[in-house]
Amino acid sequence: KQEVTQIPAALSVPEGENLVLNCSFTDSAIYNLQWFRQDPGKGLTSLLLIQSSQREQTSGRLNASLDKSSGRSTLYIAASQPGDSATYLCAPFSASYDKVIFGPGTSLSVIP
Amino acid sequence: DVKVTQSSRYLVKRTGEKVFLECVQDMDHENMFWYRQDPGLGLRLIYFSYDVKMKEKGDIPEGYSVSREKKERFSLILESASTNQTSMYLCASSIGGPAAYGYTFGSGTRLTVV
Repeated sequence: KQEVTQIPAALSVPEGENLVLNCSFTDSAIYNLQWFRQDPGKGLTSLLLIQSSQREQTSGRLNASLDKSSGRSTLYIAASQPGDSATYLCAPFSASYDKVIFGPGTSLSVIP
Repeated sequence: DVKVTQSSRYLVKRTGEKVFLECVQDMDHENMFWYRQDPGLGLRLIYFSYDVKMKEKGDIPEGYSVSREKKERFSLILESASTNQTSMYLCASSIGGPAAYGYTFGSGTRLTVV
């Protein structure tokens, strides 16, 4: 069964820091991996989608990398801002189980 | 941009009521999904549909049913609401094979059953 973990579970940083959120998954047979952001009480907003054949994707201050063979993805946020405060979830699409499995999320707080 | 619209942000219903949660997407997506999200349990798949009139059970279908009469609309039905169905409900859609394009989510419905 595909299991997804995210480390750390919570993170508090001062504004301006660069930071890395980690995602690990047990089954490396994935089609793609998507990173989402969720604000309290809201739905999920897609940030980046990495196909299994890609190593990384970038959008503005966000960069996501994928190492499928080791079952890892990282989300790098540059020059963090208070508006980045949210929960970040990774979601690999498992080829073995033909479904997306969501990680538990990392709760990020950026302090002004 | 693709939009997935959930008709209600907040709902309060009584135990035993029949509850309808509506989800509409405006970009001709084939695939639609219903999840519930609970603290400590994450997102869990209730039902999904890859085409009109088609439905498949997810991981926790008990107590729920769905309807997809039109491609753009996917309804989640709680046949007889119970307090353990108090949760955040999230609808998502994707084009073609979800492997290619990823998911787009609605803004969620916070359901409280009293």
